[in-house]
Amino acid sequence: EAGVAQSPRYKIIEKRQSVAFWCNPISGHATLYWYQQILGQGPKLLIQFQNNGVVDDSQLPKDRFSAERLKGVDSTLKIQPAKLEDSAVYLCASSPRTYEQYFGPGTRLTVT
Amino acid sequence: QKEVEQDPGPLSVPEGAIVSLNCTYSNSAFQYFMWYRQYSRKGPELLMYTYSSGNKEDGRFTAQVDKSSKYISLFIRDSQPSDSATYLCAMSAGGNNRLAFGKGNQVVVIP
Repeated sequence: EAGVAQSPRYKIIEKRQSVAFWCNPISGHATLYWYQQILGQGPKLLIQFQNNGVVDDSQLPKDRFSAERLKGVDSTLKIQPAKLEDSAVYLCASSPRTYEQYFGPGTRLTVT
Repeated sequence: QKEVEQDPGPLSVPEGAIVSLNCTYSNSAFQYFMWYRQYSRKGPELLMYTYSSGNKEDGRFTAQVDKSSKYISLFIRDSQPSDSATYLCAMSAGGNNRLAFGKGNQVVVIP
C-alpha cells in the first residue's frame, strides 16, 4: 500500500514570498490533516478535512495560510506571504480513524 | 498548563537497556493514547495505541496508560541502535477531535 506522498521535500524562500505544498493521501482515507512541526516540538494541527469539508481549522493562521482539498483526495496548503517564523516542517497525514494517522515525509520550509 | 507534557530531554542508553518514556496530560476527555516514532527527516509513524487505561504489549514495546493519574508510559526492552529516534506521545478524545502531541523525546541507543 502506497503511503502519504508530499512534495516538494524541501523549499527555501524569502520572507513575503508565497509557497504551496501538495499532499496525496492514502487511497480510501477520508480524513486528511496538515500539521506544522517546528524544530524540537511536536506537530501542531493546522487544518483537518473530512472528505471535502473542513472539520477543524482553529489553529490555522487564516490571514496568511490557506488550504483546500480537491474532490476529497489531494490537498494543497499555501502560505502567502511567508514570515520567518513559518520555517518548519509541514506534515500531511491521512487516516481511517482519528487515532490512526499515517504521516507523509514532510516538506521542510526555510524562510530567509 | 499545557494539554500534554513530555520532557524533551535527550536520552542516551547502552544497547540492551530498557528505555522508559512518559507523558502527562490535563484533559480528562482523552480516551486514545498513542506513541509515534519519528526518525530524523521522516514523518512520525504510529508505534502503538491504547484505548482508555491499561497495558498493551507489542514485541519489545509496552505502553501503559493510567487515566486516574493522567500519565502514560512507553517501555522499550532490549533496546537496539535502530530504536534511536524521537518518540512522540499523542492523545485524542476520539471522533473528529484532533490529536494533541507532546514535544517528543530524542532517544539514542549506543552500540
